[in-house]
Amino acid sequence: DAKTTQPPSMDCAEGRAANLPCNHSTISGNEYVYWYRQIHSQGPQYIIHGLKNNETNEMASLIITEDRKSSTLILPHATLRDTAVYYCIVRVADNAGNMLTFGGGTRLMVKP
Amino acid sequence: DAGVIQSPRHEVTEMGQEVTLRCKPISGHNSLFWYRQTMMRGLELLIYFNNNVPIDDSGMPEDRFSAKMPNASFSTLKIQPSEPRDSAVYFCASSPTSGYEQFFGPGTRLTVL
Repeated sequence: DAKTTQPPSMDCAEGRAANLPCNHSTISGNEYVYWYRQIHSQGPQYIIHGLKNNETNEMASLIITEDRKSSTLILPHATLRDTAVYYCIVRVADNAGNMLTFGGGTRLMVKP
Repeated sequence: DAGVIQSPRHEVTEMGQEVTLRCKPISGHNSLFWYRQTMMRGLELLIYFNNNVPIDDSGMPEDRFSAKMPNASFSTLKIQPSEPRDSAVYFCASSPTSGYEQFFGPGTRLTVL
């Protein structure tokens, strides 16, 4: 699976959009971009995933660049409960029956 | 649905003792994963099962660690003998093979003195 690079930490004001970048310059054509987050003392939680098109669900939006070498997770209106570590993972197949390789992630702090 | 259930939630034991962690996956899920999380190493996959069969155990740190899945609704991770460096939070996750999301349990915080 391709390696990802994320900033170790970011701050965001409550109510503002949080934009979390991820670099995956060695991604292959059949690899998907997944985002999970881990709120303190809890297990990781799936957020969203995509291949090459932008995706949106009730939690977030995922913007993937045309060359697929980077992506951005957008939390449109961050709340204090969004404070967590966010993991960008690149993985072959749109299939949860494959293992996840977690990197260091980005620690997002949402401030009042 | 109760989600993935792990027990115990906290375990404190002494070096050399046997430790058994338990996991009940979500009903109907075909895949089960064991992860370990420490400050130093982050979140790392130990082993995963598909249809109760171990598929990849390359993440198991050494022979002191063993995992079993005797049926679709139960899995154990055993450490024998335990060592202080095994102290970590151990997560179990499950997923439907045809789906795209892994569902994580609340974790077991293990402290080996």
